[in-house]
Amino acid sequence: SAVISQKPSRDICQRGTSLTIQCQVDSQVTMMFWYRQQPGQSLTLIATANQGSEATYESGFVIDKFPISRPNLTFSTLTVSNMSPEDSSIYLCSVATGREGYTFGSGTRLTVV
Amino acid sequence: SQQGEEDPQALSIQEGENATMNCSYKTSINNLQWYRQNSGRGLVHLILIRSNEREKHSGRLRVTLDTSKKSSSLLITASRAADTASYFCATVNGNTGKLIFGQGTTLQVKP
Repeated sequence: SAVISQKPSRDICQRGTSLTIQCQVDSQVTMMFWYRQQPGQSLTLIATANQGSEATYESGFVIDKFPISRPNLTFSTLTVSNMSPEDSSIYLCSVATGREGYTFGSGTRLTVV
Repeated sequence: SQQGEEDPQALSIQEGENATMNCSYKTSINNLQWYRQNSGRGLVHLILIRSNEREKHSGRLRVTLDTSKKSSSLLITASRAADTASYFCATVNGNTGKLIFGQGTTLQVKP
């Protein structure tokens, strides 16, 4: 199955600033997914990132707040823009790995102060 | 959006006991998957059951699927302290490939 390297693992950021999270996959994948996990909650899908086209956002998430890049089939970034304390969450990327299910990055724990 | 409910939300058992977690979902599915998450870190895929399967085993894990009731259960037998984690069911939209999660069950196994 695929291996994902996600960076940073954690960060503490000032409100009003932006943070870019990176995910590098060790194989080429068509779709990458970005999730948010608020404290004590389950995972909520933010968007699907396809190479060569704009990301597809789920209801409640917009590109201005969560811009996504997908420059090639092994890499994607998610930016959390103009952060507020409500953005404090764990952010995870994921790829489908065929019959084995989905593989997840180790997550980025973001705290906004 | 979440796919459905999981119960219980929290479960505390003694080492050696069995743990059963239930999951319900809303839409038709191609397959249902179970994941484990330790201490808010990345998720680990445990087991996948296809819509035409009713039961599946993997080591100490047993998963059942009832598509008529849109429900699944995960049984962990002879639990260990290392099984302490959050467990999530998730379903895949066959058209979009999106993986949508249930609310999760937090399992504590006391040594």
